[in-house]
Amino acid sequence: DAKTTQPPSMDCAEGRAANLPCNHSTISGNEYVYWYRQIHSQGPQYIIHGLKNNETNEMASLIITEDRKSSTLILPHATLRDTAVYYCIVLNTNAGKSTFGDGTTLTVKP
Amino acid sequence: EPEVTQTPSHQVTQMGQEVILRCVPISNHLYFYWYRQILGQKVEFLVSFYNNEISEKSEIFDDQFSVERPDGSNFTLKIRSTKLEDSAMYFCASRGTMGEKLFFGSGTQLSVL
Repeated sequence: DAKTTQPPSMDCAEGRAANLPCNHSTISGNEYVYWYRQIHSQGPQYIIHGLKNNETNEMASLIITEDRKSSTLILPHATLRDTAVYYCIVLNTNAGKSTFGDGTTLTVKP
Repeated sequence: EPEVTQTPSHQVTQMGQEVILRCVPISNHLYFYWYRQILGQKVEFLVSFYNNEISEKSEIFDDQFSVERPDGSNFTLKIRSTKLEDSAMYFCASRGTMGEKLFFGSGTQLSVL
């Protein structure tokens, strides 16, 4: 099953775009890339997901490389409330194992 | 938005005791999951469940663990004989069809004394 690699921490200035990378070089064809975030020990909060096309919703944009081996989550205008641990997950659509990476702790600073 | 509900929010038990963690997935969802998170660590996959059987399980999910969907609405995780190292936050999750998002519950904090 695919593993994900993320930088352990990142800082971002309030109001600026936050770009969080994720490497999933062993992803297979039926695996989606999901992004979640977690604030303290709350349940992970869904942000966005995609298979191979770039995706955008009201929270963020997801850019997936053509070879699908990496992706970037973009928070276009980060706020202090976006400070959290962000997880990139590869999820097997055949109800299989989903592997969380170690996550990136994003700190948005005033 | 629909929610995955987990009960209890906190569970304290003595080492060696059996515990059952309960989850009510979102109605009409087909895929069910349990994860755990030890304090300060990342979220770890335990098991996935589909069509009334386990689809995948991690190496953490040994013979002490079992899952069940007893009545078509609840989804339970049982730990037969708890160990100190089972202390963690346990998250339940569910999703509908392939490609849909995974909904997480707010978790059950299990403390084994």
